[in-house]
Amino acid sequence: KQEVTQIPAALSVPEGENLVLNCSFTDSAIYNLQWFRQDPGKGLTSLLLIQSSQREQTSGRLNASLDKSSGRSTLYIAASQPGDSATYLCAPSSGGSYIPTFGRGTSLIVHP
Amino acid sequence: DTAVSQTPKYLVTQMGNDKSIKCEQNLGHDTMYWYKQDSKKFLKIMFSYNNKELIINETVPNRFSPKSPDKAHLNLHINSLELGDSAVYFCASSQVRGLKIAGGPREQYFGPGTRLTVT
Repeated sequence: KQEVTQIPAALSVPEGENLVLNCSFTDSAIYNLQWFRQDPGKGLTSLLLIQSSQREQTSGRLNASLDKSSGRSTLYIAASQPGDSATYLCAPSSGGSYIPTFGRGTSLIVHP
Repeated sequence: DTAVSQTPKYLVTQMGNDKSIKCEQNLGHDTMYWYKQDSKKFLKIMFSYNNKELIINETVPNRFSPKSPDKAHLNLHINSLELGDSAVYFCASSQVRGLKIAGGPREQYFGPGTRLTVT
């Protein structure tokens, strides 16, 4: 059974810092891994999807890397802004039904 | 147009009642999901439907019954509601089958959630 751990659980930083959010998973036989953002009281917004054959994906100030063999993914946020404040979730998809398993997320606060 | 929509957004009801939550996606995806997010914000899969067929049913009480009238809709019916059912329920969709690229399903798209409160 896939288990996903996200570190740190919470992070509070001043605006402008570069951030690293970590995700580890126990079953390395994944099809892909998706990073999401969840704002308070809202649904999940997809940020990046990395296929199992890929090493990284970039979108704007976000860069996600994947090391499938070691069961790790990292989300890098450059030049953080207050608008980046949210909970970030990673979800690798594995198993015959391609079901994503979610971590508990990293709660990020970027203060001005 | 909203890609994945859910109704209602808020649902307050008493123990023992039966209620339904509706979900619709206009993305043409073949797979839809229901997730439950508890008070500790942990998101857990409940059901997954592919082309109107149930493909996964996690350890969910049989008071919960998903209904998929067509590929674009996956409704969740809950009988005899209990206090512990209070949570936020999210619907999601993705394209799983018939992909040209390797690596399985494309990204999931989530609805805005339905906050269920049982009193």
